[in-house]
Amino acid sequence: NAGVTQTPKFQVLKTGQSMTLQCAQDMNHNSMYWYRQDPGMGLRLIYYSASEGTTDKGEVPNGYNVSRLNKREFSLRLESAAPSQTSVYFCAIHTGTGDEKLFFGSGTQLSVL
Amino acid sequence: TQLLEQSPQFLSIQEGENLTVYCNSSSVFSSLQWYRQEPGEGPVLLVTVVTGGEVKKLKRLTFQFGDARKDSSLHITAAQPGDTGLYLCAGWKSYNTDKLIFGTGTRLQVFP
Repeated sequence: NAGVTQTPKFQVLKTGQSMTLQCAQDMNHNSMYWYRQDPGMGLRLIYYSASEGTTDKGEVPNGYNVSRLNKREFSLRLESAAPSQTSVYFCAIHTGTGDEKLFFGSGTQLSVL
Repeated sequence: TQLLEQSPQFLSIQEGENLTVYCNSSSVFSSLQWYRQEPGEGPVLLVTVVTGGEVKKLKRLTFQFGDARKDSSLHITAAQPGDTGLYLCAGWKSYNTDKLIFGTGTRLQVFP
């Protein structure tokens, strides 16, 4: 999935630990998204950012914070991880007007014990 | 509560069979999209339908947008093992095109 890079690819945390998931794009698009994917639930929007310096809540924002310090990077932070946050996390970019689609990274598999 | 409900949730069929996946909502969307996801990868866009009643074909896949722009269907003719994957519908909300809402997903397994 060239163009959207997520790190790390896998992570195991203990309950209460904190961590930041990183997402970087080299496609120069404004809008970036964080989704989580659980079995039988499809993808659920956590937060999104329409442009540098702006962020908005999605469907399931509780327990997460985000940061969009520049156009290229959009990070997702878990301040105190809970087992309910065990999931696969995807970062995506919106390719913009005339080509309305999301382009996804390859995901971060997070387990909270 | 998911805004977009897909059915069935799982589908296991033999090569050569036909199948239909449904995506339903009580909300109106400006457009609906279908994505396919392979294991270990992010979803990849297959098609976008914009106009109520619109039908689009992609080889053996036929996509339809409901007249009221609240639902969509994906029909696969003569399924092949390469069609195996997770199929996701997704809608751009009419009043906020920055949010793409995904359906619950349909996992398709096609056996040779």
